[in-house]
Amino acid sequence: NAGVTQTPKFRILKIGQSMTLQCTQDMNHNYMYWYRQDPGMGLKLIYYSVGAGITDKGEVPNGYNVSRSTTEDFPLRLELAAPSQTSVYFCASKMNTEAFFGQGTRLTVV
Amino acid sequence: AQSVTQPDIHITVSEGASLELRCNYSYGATPYLFWYVQSPGQGLQLLLKYFSGDTLVQGIKGFEAEFKRSQSSFNLRKPSVHWSDAAEYFCAVGARSGAGSYQLTFGKGTKLSVIP
Repeated sequence: NAGVTQTPKFRILKIGQSMTLQCTQDMNHNYMYWYRQDPGMGLKLIYYSVGAGITDKGEVPNGYNVSRSTTEDFPLRLELAAPSQTSVYFCASKMNTEAFFGQGTRLTVV
Repeated sequence: AQSVTQPDIHITVSEGASLELRCNYSYGATPYLFWYVQSPGQGLQLLLKYFSGDTLVQGIKGFEAEFKRSQSSFNLRKPSVHWSDAAEYFCAVGARSGAGSYQLTFGKGTKLSVIP
C-alpha cells in the first residue's frame, strides 16, 4: 500500500527555471493538499483540491499552479523559480478527517 | 478562520522524564484536533486525533492528549520519554473554511530534544 508518493525527493533549481512536483495517491481520496514547510514556520497551505477538476488557493499560492485531472494525481507547478521558493514541500490526501502525508520534496532555488 | 498556537519552539527533556507539549487553538466550534510527529528528513506521521467523545485520547508510541474546551487546548503528554521521541511535533486543527471546504491548519511546531 503506497499511500501518498512524491517525486522527486530532492531538487536544485536555478532562478527562473520551472519544474513540476509530482504527487500521487492510491487511496481514492477526494481531498488533496500541497503544503510548504519552512524552518520555524510550520506548514503553510499552498493549494488544495476537493476532487478531480476542482482546485482552490490556500494561504500562500503565489508563484505556484496546480491541476487535478484525476483523483490520483495532484501536481504542483513552479513556473519561474525564485529563492523564496526554497522549501520542503509536502503533499497530503484526505478521506473523512484524517490526512496522510508524502515524504516530502526538498527544493533549493539558487 | 481557525488558528493553532504552539507556545514552545524547543523543549529539552531527559530520557525517562515526563513530557507535555502545549497546543492552543482558535475556532468557533469544536474542531477536529490532531498531533503529528516529524522525524528529521521524514514526512508527518499521525500520533493521535480527537473528534468527539472522551476528551482524553490515546495515540501511538505511548502518547496521549487531552482536549479541554474551556482552555481551547489540546496538550500532548507522555509519561516517560525515550531517546527515539526526539523529533518535531505539530498540532493541527481540521475545520471547514468559510467556503465550506475542509482544511487542516498547523501550528509552527515544537522541536523536542532528549538528553541521556
